[in-house]
Amino acid sequence: DVKVTQSSRYLVKRTGEKVFLECVQDMDHENMFWYRQDPGLGLRLIYFSYDVKMKEKGDIPEGYSVSREKKERFSLILESASTNQTSMYLCAIKPRDGSYNSPLHFGNGTRLTVT
Amino acid sequence: AQTVTQSQPEMSVQEAETVTLSCTYDTSESDYYLFWYKQPPSRQMILVIRQEAYKQQNATENRFSVNFQKAAKSFSLKISDSQLGDAAMYFCAYKGYNAGNMLTFGGGTRLMVKP
Repeated sequence: DVKVTQSSRYLVKRTGEKVFLECVQDMDHENMFWYRQDPGLGLRLIYFSYDVKMKEKGDIPEGYSVSREKKERFSLILESASTNQTSMYLCAIKPRDGSYNSPLHFGNGTRLTVT
Repeated sequence: AQTVTQSQPEMSVQEAETVTLSCTYDTSESDYYLFWYKQPPSRQMILVIRQEAYKQQNATENRFSVNFQKAAKSFSLKISDSQLGDAAMYFCAYKGYNAGNMLTFGGGTRLMVKP
């Protein structure tokens, strides 16, 4: 079974703090994603990575950066957290199974509150 | 850009009854994939069902089936014999054939199941 682990279930940070959200997978999958989930807006893609040190902007990258130094770990970074970044953050991977329409596998989410 | 619309923020169904969740999308592409994901209170997003646009036959997975109307750009999810464990947020998602790994999600529908 594919396992995607997000290190924190809940986080509370102050405005201006640098925030790291960590996502770890237990297999050798290339494709990893960060989404944010907001009521009524569904999931929106922030960044994704298709290999170590490779990254691509999603639909809403502003205010975020990412890091992928090792294949199993994909970090989302809020350089200077703001209250409008209060949200649920979901990490996902796309398993390497040769199927173009294979589904994403998600972590359990990190609910971030910025005060 | 593609958009996915779920017009029902909330739905409720009696246990053992049938419910249909609506999803429409906007695209100029002819080849694409559609998905329904379920997010229970545990937050773990899981794939419910998927449909390839080139297939005319509607996808079915046990109690879950879709009504795919390509001309109308509609992709509704029918849940038969609803169970308490079906209570969750449901997200419709679209992926264009040439979109790489980019999924576009709808805003979600919260399904409540009454005993």
